[in-house]
This record gives sequence, structure tokens and C-alpha cells, in this order.
Amino acid sequence: GQQLNQSPQSMFIQEGEDVSMNCTSSSIFNTWLWYKQEPGEGPVLLIALYKAGELTSNGRLTAQFGITRKDSFLNISASIPSDVGIYFCAERYNNNDMRFGAGTRLTVKP
Amino acid sequence: NAGVTQTPKFRILKIGQSMTLQCAQDMNHNYMYWYRQDPGMGLKLIYYSVGAGITDKGEVPNGYNVSRSTTEDFPLRLELAAPSQTSVYFCASIHPQGPNTEAFFGQGTRLTVV
Repeated sequence: GQQLNQSPQSMFIQEGEDVSMNCTSSSIFNTWLWYKQEPGEGPVLLIALYKAGELTSNGRLTAQFGITRKDSFLNISASIPSDVGIYFCAERYNNNDMRFGAGTRLTVKP
Repeated sequence: NAGVTQTPKFRILKIGQSMTLQCAQDMNHNYMYWYRQDPGMGLKLIYYSVGAGITDKGEVPNGYNVSRSTTEDFPLRLELAAPSQTSVYFCASIHPQGPNTEAFFGQGTRLTVV
């Protein structure tokens, strides 16, 4: 089956720094999704991407759908302590099942 | 508006016991999913359903069963619990029509098999 490779696995940054994480896939996808999970909670959608080359922002978050349709990145600008959590990329394989990357665990030091 | 509701929130099972994890959504979503999340790991898809009466295996279906008799409910059954099934289980639902493909997740069921 297809694989989602997400990197980095974890990041330790200072408050105010920018963050970048990405996902790559062995298959071509029609949708890329970015979720955030806080401790003890289920994931919550941050940004959804539907077209190759699409660049979408949500506040300090920006995500792009790669031209090859096999990759996507998520940037967080000017990080704050509440950005702490696990960030997941996800895709809807065959528009039915939805699969997740292994996650990027973000720690922000004040 | 409750969204996706999972019960129970916590459970300890002995090896070989069985149990059903309940998931209900009140958003009239057709698509529902069960995931497990092991410590420090991502979410692995166990089973999913695209509508009442239809279920399909995901990445890690062994040891689990599901049913979808109604749009609202998607229970996950463990027949013979094993320590390898110790995990946090999340249920999610989507209404995939149109541009909004946001999945709504329950708060999870933390299962320990001893």
C-alpha cells in the first residue's frame, strides 16, 4: 500500500521561531490534509489542500500541495507556546479511506 | 450538537476478554473510521465505512470486527483481547461531498490489555 513519510519526527524550537515540516508519498493524491493533536484529544483539521500547487494559509499556518502531487509541507510562523502538539499529514486514499503520517511532535520553549 | 461520541473513555481488559468500543455521530456523515494510536506513533486505520451496511478493512484490521447497521453508529469489536491491542482508539466521521473533507474525531478510548 501507499506510504506517507513525515519529517521531522520531532522539533524543539524557541518561541518566535518559524517551523517547517513535510510529508512525502509513494503515490499521487488528490487531497492533502494537515491535522494537529493536543494531549488527550483527537486530531483537529488545520488546513485542507485539493489542487496541485495550491498554497493555503490559516493564520500563522501555511501549507502547500506539491506540484508532483506526492508531497506537501506545513509552515508555522512566529511560533507560540500553544503551538505545542503533534502535527499529522493525512490523505484520502481513493477518496475513501483516510491515512495519516507518523506525526511531527513540536515542543516550543518560552 | 455532540459531534462524534466515543464510549468508554478508558477500559482495562484481561487477555482473551472481548469488548465493543462504541462510536456515534449526530452529523449525518456517511463515512466513518476507526484508528488506533500507539504511544508516540501516528494513527493506523483499522476499518472504515462509507455508509450503512458497507465496511472495509484498513491497514491493521486483524483482531477487530466492525458493523454499520445505521448511519449514526459504528462499533468496533475486539473478540479475544491481546496485549498488542493496548492503544488509544479514535473514531472519526466525514461528510465527503463538496469541498469540505474535514474529519471530526471523538476524544478517544484508552484501552489496556493485561
